[in-house]
Amino acid sequence: GAVVSQHPSRVICKSGTSVKIECRSLDFQATTMFWYRQFPKQSLMLMATSNEGSKATYEQGVEKDKFLINHASLTLSTLTVTSAHPEDSSFYICSARVWGDLNTQYFGPGTRLTVL
Amino acid sequence: AQKVTQAQTEISVVEKEDVTLDCVYETRDTTYYLFWYKQPPSGELVFLIRRNSFDEQNEISGRYSWNFQKSTSSFNFTITASQVVDSAVYFCALSEAVSSNTGKLIFGQGTTLQVKP
Repeated sequence: GAVVSQHPSRVICKSGTSVKIECRSLDFQATTMFWYRQFPKQSLMLMATSNEGSKATYEQGVEKDKFLINHASLTLSTLTVTSAHPEDSSFYICSARVWGDLNTQYFGPGTRLTVL
Repeated sequence: AQKVTQAQTEISVVEKEDVTLDCVYETRDTTYYLFWYKQPPSGELVFLIRRNSFDEQNEISGRYSWNFQKSTSSFNFTITASQVVDSAVYFCALSEAVSSNTGKLIFGQGTTLQVKP
């Protein structure tokens, strides 16, 4: 149980395009999902907290117009990187919190974004 | 403010050696949770353990064991008889109780463990 998937696993795009990343909880409902960013050989940096049916809460320094988050259902959250630039290239990881096991986050496999 | 420190950036051991990964945390909360996650080269974070602040009992799971000491604010992780498959980056993390905030995780910088055959 507690499986989280992400799609796509890897994406390469041209500068200026938008990229959508999906995060799904496969066998449980997740009222809260989190989006992280990880640069090579660094730790995870929380970008935003996504709550089903409400606006996401962004961490300080994260542009909400740049990183659009939608949590439309209890099993799906999406992160859209708008007008991507090379500096947005990174590893994006989502996690979901299990209802009834509220303090444990289960992570997706991550999405490697490369912006040319 | 909450903080997690993993002072060991990289550790290299030979297979079958025991290895301990250190984790020291800071928090003002009386209720909090501590975690260890493993990130293999594939990138996915694998949940290993959760421990709440009221439970200082050490835990053993196969070759893995965890030593939680509130007096020193430490939550160390030991792998006994290490194997090559244990090679990964290991993250220690801290979160407050859900009732006080969203339960955000504060991660340490990670320790890269390399187990050589």
